[in-house]
Amino acid sequence: GENVEQHPSTLSVQEGDSAVIKCTYSDSASNYFPWYKQELGKGPQLIIDIRSNVGEKKDQRIAVTLNKTAKHFSLHITETQPEDSAVYFCAASSRGQNFVFGPGTRLSVLP
Amino acid sequence: DTAVSQTPKYLVTQMGNDKSIKCEQNLGHDTMYWYKQDSKKFLKIMFSYNNKELIINETVPNRFSPKSPDKAHLNLHINSLELGDSAVYFCASSPQGVDSPLHFGNGTRLTVT
Repeated sequence: GENVEQHPSTLSVQEGDSAVIKCTYSDSASNYFPWYKQELGKGPQLIIDIRSNVGEKKDQRIAVTLNKTAKHFSLHITETQPEDSAVYFCAASSRGQNFVFGPGTRLSVLP
Repeated sequence: DTAVSQTPKYLVTQMGNDKSIKCEQNLGHDTMYWYKQDSKKFLKIMFSYNNKELIINETVPNRFSPKSPDKAHLNLHINSLELGDSAVYFCASSPQGVDSPLHFGNGTRLTVT
């Protein structure tokens, strides 16, 4: 079955700096890769996603890149703000089913 | 307005008790899930239902029994609760067979004493 690894497990950055979180997956059939942000006491919320026919996607300060050959994808957050502090999860799925999550990255943005 | 709602938000109970967590989604999605998030924040799928039919059942003790009365509801019943069942349980939903994200509820924090 699918296995998703995520690094780093914790990340501290200064406000205004960029943050990068990397994930790798094992199942070459996986074709959909969402990223979730989880704030304290809440459920994970989708922030951006990418499909396997696309190499990069951007939404304001957030971007995701996908390398299908190497089976890895990354989340990039630019101009970080304190409200970006949260736990971030990557995930992989095949045909929209059986989502497998990475272990999470706790991002702290220091003012 | 709430897309995926689960109740209760907090559940404190003693070992050996039986408890249920309810979940409802108003998104018209075909597939619903239960995920368990442990103290290290790891999200692990427990069950997946598609149109009231069980399609994924990970290695979960049979003390856990999902019930789906209709495609908008997926409840989780837990018998003979154990200390190790303490976790946050998330319900989620998604459309069937398309590359669309999961929509999560806000979780139920279960504490077994």
